[in-house]
Amino acid sequence: QKEVEQDPGPLSVPEGAIVSLNCTYSNSAFQYFMWYRQYSRKGPELLMYTYSSGNKEDGRFTAQVDKSSKYISLFIRDSQPSDSATYLCAMSEVGRDDKIIFGKGTRLHILP
Amino acid sequence: SAVISQKPSRDICQRGTSLTIQCQVDSQVTMMFWYRQQPGQSLTLIATANQGSEATYESGFVIDKFPISRPNLTFSTLTVSNMSPEDSSIYLCSVEGLGKETQYFGPGTRLLVL
Repeated sequence: QKEVEQDPGPLSVPEGAIVSLNCTYSNSAFQYFMWYRQYSRKGPELLMYTYSSGNKEDGRFTAQVDKSSKYISLFIRDSQPSDSATYLCAMSEVGRDDKIIFGKGTRLHILP
Repeated sequence: SAVISQKPSRDICQRGTSLTIQCQVDSQVTMMFWYRQQPGQSLTLIATANQGSEATYESGFVIDKFPISRPNLTFSTLTVSNMSPEDSSIYLCSVEGLGKETQYFGPGTRLLVL
C-alpha cells in the first residue's frame, strides 16, 4: 500500500458546483497535512495546511482531516473556471528531518 | 513568501549529455530542496541542499548522477548527468517558509531526453 493515495482524475464539474478532493494515507504518524494547487506549466503553490485533525477554512476552500480514518479532504465552494488545475495533497511527520510525501495529484476541470 | 526562479525553463537534450539547472531565491534560506515530477507520478524528493555542507540524497538518488552545488544562501544548482530518456521529467526546486509545512516551489525545468 502506498503511503499516500490520490485519485488522479480528471474530475470535471460545472461552474458553481462544490468540489470535493480526497486523499487517503497509511502512516498514522503524519501530523502535517497540506494541499497544493498546480497550474499547467507552473510549480505547485501552497493552498492550505493543517496540523493534526480538524477543519480549516480560507475563503472558498475548506480542508478537513480525519485521522481516525486516515482521510483528508479539500472542498471548493462556488467553483470557478480559474480553479481548474491539479491539486496535490501532501503530508509529513513532525520531525525536522521528516520529508513531505505527496500524492500524485487530481486534475480538476471546472466547466463554464 | 519566497520568489523562486529556475533556469532553463525547458530543454531538449541528447542521451549521454549533462544539464545543469539553476535555482535562485529572492531571500536567504537555510535549506533548498530538489524534486522530480514525472508524468503520472508524485513529486519525489531528490535531495536537500544546505549551504556549506554536502547535499543529503534520498534513497534511489546518488551524487554521481545528480550532483548539487549550494554556494550561498540564495542559489543552488542541480546537474542531471549522463542523461537517458528515463530522466525526462520536470525538476523543481523549493524552499521552506516559516516551517516545513509551508514550502514554496519554483516554476520547474521541463527536461526531455532523446
